[in-house]
Order: sequence, then structure tokens, then C-alpha cells
Amino acid sequence: DADVTQTPRNRITKTGKRIMLECSQTKGHDRMYWYRQDPGLGLQLIYYSFDVKDINKGEISDGYSVSRQAQAKFSLSLESAIPNQTALYFCATRGLASDTQYFGPGTRLTVL
Amino acid sequence: TQLLEQSPQFLSIQEGENLTVYCNSSSVFSSLQWYRQEPGEGPVLLVTVVTGGEVKKLKRLTFQFGDARKDSSLHITAAQPGDTGLYLCAGYRSGTYKYIFGTGTRLKVLA
Repeated sequence: DADVTQTPRNRITKTGKRIMLECSQTKGHDRMYWYRQDPGLGLQLIYYSFDVKDINKGEISDGYSVSRQAQAKFSLSLESAIPNQTALYFCATRGLASDTQYFGPGTRLTVL
Repeated sequence: TQLLEQSPQFLSIQEGENLTVYCNSSSVFSSLQWYRQEPGEGPVLLVTVVTGGEVKKLKRLTFQFGDARKDSSLHITAAQPGDTGLYLCAGYRSGTYKYIFGTGTRLKVLA
């Protein structure tokens, strides 16, 4: 079983809809991250969380919100989706004793 | 968004050829990761390098961290079609939350 899972893997929605992307991990890591990937722009950080009570904005948090329901679960919400939020979204985790991030398989989101 | 400069951006080679991908920055990192990403999938970790001058080998892949910890290279010997994918580097500074990502090198190995 994968250590970091994301649901759904693909989603098509319409402008103005509320969308939630979910991430779960079995690695026991405290630190979790949400990124979006756009062609030619690399990975951009949306939000990050160092534990259940610690949530921080990344570089491109406008239009997004997150919830850390438990150590293992970190959800990303788009309150009112817009077409320029069409992208690949990745969740990642990191343990306290390592610099290495581990990524989930991603969610391809299309906003029409 | 601050990025690591990766070169080349695109590379198409024949099976059996050697290649090197570069990851450069003006910043010092405490560690650097290399990932490979398949279309529609998440980046999969290949290696983490942490010491200046460090060389790590993973079968036909050789990774080097620059002496000053500002740059890194990935060398593939005798490339195979299974090496096809997007190669990403990511630098991390200890004490910050932030990873700096390269824009990637898209490699295609032709049989």
C-alpha cells in the first residue's frame, strides 16, 4: 500500500463550486504540505502544517484553505473554484529527522 | 517563486547513451533531493544528498552535490527507455519550512 494517498485522483468541476482534496499518510510524519504543479512553473507551495495545531500559508494560498484533521490527514479546499486553479495538486510529508519529502500520487483538477 | 535552475529543460537521446542533468542555484542548501516523475503521477524520490562533495550511486545513476552545496548533478550511464520521465531537483535549507524546486528536465530515451 502507498504511504501517501490522495483522493480523488481526477476531478472535473465548474467555476464557483467548492472542492475538497484529501491526503492521508501512514508514514507517521508530523509535517505535511500541499503543492500545485503547473507546466513550466515547478512546484508551488500552497499550505504546510508542522502538526495538527500548526498550519501556515505558503506562497500561493489565496483561494485555498486547509484542514489538518489528524496527524495522518491533511485536506485542501477550494471554496469557490476558478479556471486558473486547474492544475496538478500534490500532498507531501516529511519526518522530523529528515529533510526528505515524500509525495502522493497527485490529483488532476480541471475547473471549467 | 524562487527556483533552482535545471538544465537542460528537454533531452531526447538514444538508448545506450550517457547524459548529465544539472541543478544550479546561488543559494546554499543543507540538502538536495532528486525525484523522477511520470506523467500524471507524483514525484518519486531517487536520492537525498546532504554533504558537500558527496557522490551517491543508484545503479546507473550517479548523483553529486557540489562542494559549496549550491549545485548538484545527475549522470545516467547507458540510458534505457525506462529512464524516461521528468527529473526534478529540490533544495532544502535547514531551519526553514521551504523547499526550492527546479522546473525539471524532461528526458526521453528512444529504443
